Amino acid sequence: EAGVTQFPSHSVIEKGQTVTLRCDPISGHDNLYWYRRVMGKEIKFLLHFVKESKQDESGMPNNRFLAERTGGTYSTLKVQPAELEDSGVYFCASSQRRAGLETQYFGPGTRLLVL
Amino acid sequence: AQKITQTQPGMFVQEKEAVTLDCTYDTSDPSYGLFWYKQPSSGEMIFLIYQGSYDQQNATEGRYSLNFQKARKSANLVISASQLGDSAMYFCAMREGSNDYKLSFGAGTTVTVRA
Repeated sequence: EAGVTQFPSHSVIEKGQTVTLRCDPISGHDNLYWYRRVMGKEIKFLLHFVKESKQDESGMPNNRFLAERTGGTYSTLKVQPAELEDSGVYFCASSQRRAGLETQYFGPGTRLLVL
Repeated sequence: AQKITQTQPGMFVQEKEAVTLDCTYDTSDPSYGLFWYKQPSSGEMIFLIYQGSYDQQNATEGRYSLNFQKARKSANLVISASQLGDSAMYFCAMREGSNDYKLSFGAGTTVTVRA
């Protein structure tokens, strides 16, 4: 079974540009999450989808970030316009809630560098 | 307030020895879950082990065990018989409540296994 995949693995852009990150969850996983780790800080939650609906977007830093999950399959996270402080690693995770155990399986992350 | 605290930024361990990684947590919710993830230098986040707040026994998964001390709010990870491939960063994370899915992460502990 394929794990969570993310594309691209790395992205280097200039301040003010737009970047779109993609996440493909494990097949059959209704829950999809975005997290990010900026340099020297903890991994922070951004948002949570249940199928195509945003369940919790309390971690989204500002309105430059837009996440979508059309059709309840893959998700995209767009940053527009990118700022220097957006640099970091963006992780996607997915899970299938089962009997109270909700283990999130993470993708390899996208390393974003904004210059 | 910090929900997850990992006080050890880095540790060295001799191959074949056991190592304990500390994790303390802070929550007032009686229902919560604790997770450990491993992040090798390649960057992916690998799920290791889970402990639910109502679980009566400490979780074990192969060479990984979780020393769960509820009254002390600690969930230390024990890796037995360390291998060179265990060299990685290890993250402790917590999910609070039965309806809240997002994870709060600690700062991580880097483990280096010496031959």
